[in-house]
Amino acid sequence: AQSVTQPDIHITVSEGASLELRCNYSYGATPYLFWYVQSPGQGLQLLLKYFSGDTLVQGIKGFEAEFKRSQSSFNLRKPSVHWSDAAEYFCAVGALAGGSYIPTFGRGTSLIVHP
Amino acid sequence: KAGVTQTPRYLIKTRGQQVTLSCSPISGHRSVSWYQQTPGQGLQFLFEYFSETQRNKGNFPGRFSGRQFSNSRSEMNVSTLELGDSALYLCASSKGDRDVTEAFFGQGTRLTVV
Repeated sequence: AQSVTQPDIHITVSEGASLELRCNYSYGATPYLFWYVQSPGQGLQLLLKYFSGDTLVQGIKGFEAEFKRSQSSFNLRKPSVHWSDAAEYFCAVGALAGGSYIPTFGRGTSLIVHP
Repeated sequence: KAGVTQTPRYLIKTRGQQVTLSCSPISGHRSVSWYQQTPGQGLQFLFEYFSETQRNKGNFPGRFSGRQFSNSRSEMNVSTLELGDSALYLCASSKGDRDVTEAFFGQGTRLTVV
């Protein structure tokens, strides 16, 4: 069965600083990987996804992620954090089941941004 | 185009009651999945419906059930509510065919059981 580990429960950064959120996955086949962001009381918004091809993926809001098969990682990065980036971030691995890719989510990383 | 719509946004129910939540997917999407989100367990997959049939199921008791209508709208029902059912219930829609596409989430229904 697939699983996702997000080692950091909370991360605090200063506005303008760079950010890296870690994600490690376990999946026997080619992984389909996602990063979602959730603001308080809201649903999940897709930031970016990796299905195949270039291992460096660009997403919305200036985020990018790099797939490293050898390390089973899909870390999320942003060069300069804005106060509005404060939210919960979820990494997910999608497993094909009956025609759909059902994502299994990590426990999330809460990003706190200091002014 | 309109996103995924979940109604109601908030619910308060009493232990032992039952509740029905609704989800309208993005137009053209045939797959609807449901998730339960709690601080203790995180995001857990409940089930997925595709073309009015349950196609995938998570590890939840039979008190949790769902259905999908011909217009792809889906409902989730929880019977005999327990305090531990208090959670944010999220619905996600996708095309559901074998092309790899992402799931689009609604804003959720916050259920509080007292």
